Amino acid sequence: AQSVTQLGSHVSVSEGALVLLRCNYSSSVPPYLFWYVQYPNQGLQLLLKYTSAATLVKGINGFEAEFKKSETSFHLTKPSAHMSDAAEYFCAVSVGNEKLTFGTGTRLTIIP
Amino acid sequence: DSGVTQTPKHLITATGQRVTLRCSPRSGDLSVYWYQQSLDQGLQFLIQYYNGEERAKGNILERFSAQQFPDLHSELNLSSLELGDSALYFCASSARGTSGMNEQFFGPGTRLTVL
Repeated sequence: AQSVTQLGSHVSVSEGALVLLRCNYSSSVPPYLFWYVQYPNQGLQLLLKYTSAATLVKGINGFEAEFKKSETSFHLTKPSAHMSDAAEYFCAVSVGNEKLTFGTGTRLTIIP
Repeated sequence: DSGVTQTPKHLITATGQRVTLRCSPRSGDLSVYWYQQSLDQGLQFLIQYYNGEERAKGNILERFSAQQFPDLHSELNLSSLELGDSALYFCASSARGTSGMNEQFFGPGTRLTVL
């Protein structure tokens, strides 16, 4: 069965600094990988997804993630944090069917 | 706005009761998924329906059941409610039911509080 581990339940960065949210996956077959964002009192919104077309995936709001098979990682980055990026971020994996297995989430706080 | 609607937004009920949560998928989407988000369990997949048929089952309790109707809306029924069932319940939809790469669009959720 597939699984996802998100390192760091809380991450704080200063406005304008690099955002790095870590995600490692476990899967016996090539996975599909996703990053979702959840703003307070809202549902989840897809930031980006990896579907084996390209290892560097660009998403919305300036986020990107790189699939590294050798490290079984799919870390999310953004060069310059904005106050509006404060939210909870979930990494998820899907194999074969459409069931999503989510990580435990990382709450991102932006320091003015 | 994802195009997925869920009602009600909030639900407060007592232990032992039964509730029904409703989800309308995006126009044209055939798959509906239900997820539960709680502080101790995180986000967990409950069940998936595709075009009216159950497609996949996750960590869904026997006290919970779901169905998808001919108009593709779905209902999640929770019975004999316990305090631990208090959570945010999300519905998501996607166009197809056979490929894991398809994006799922999430509704705003129903917050269930069991007192």
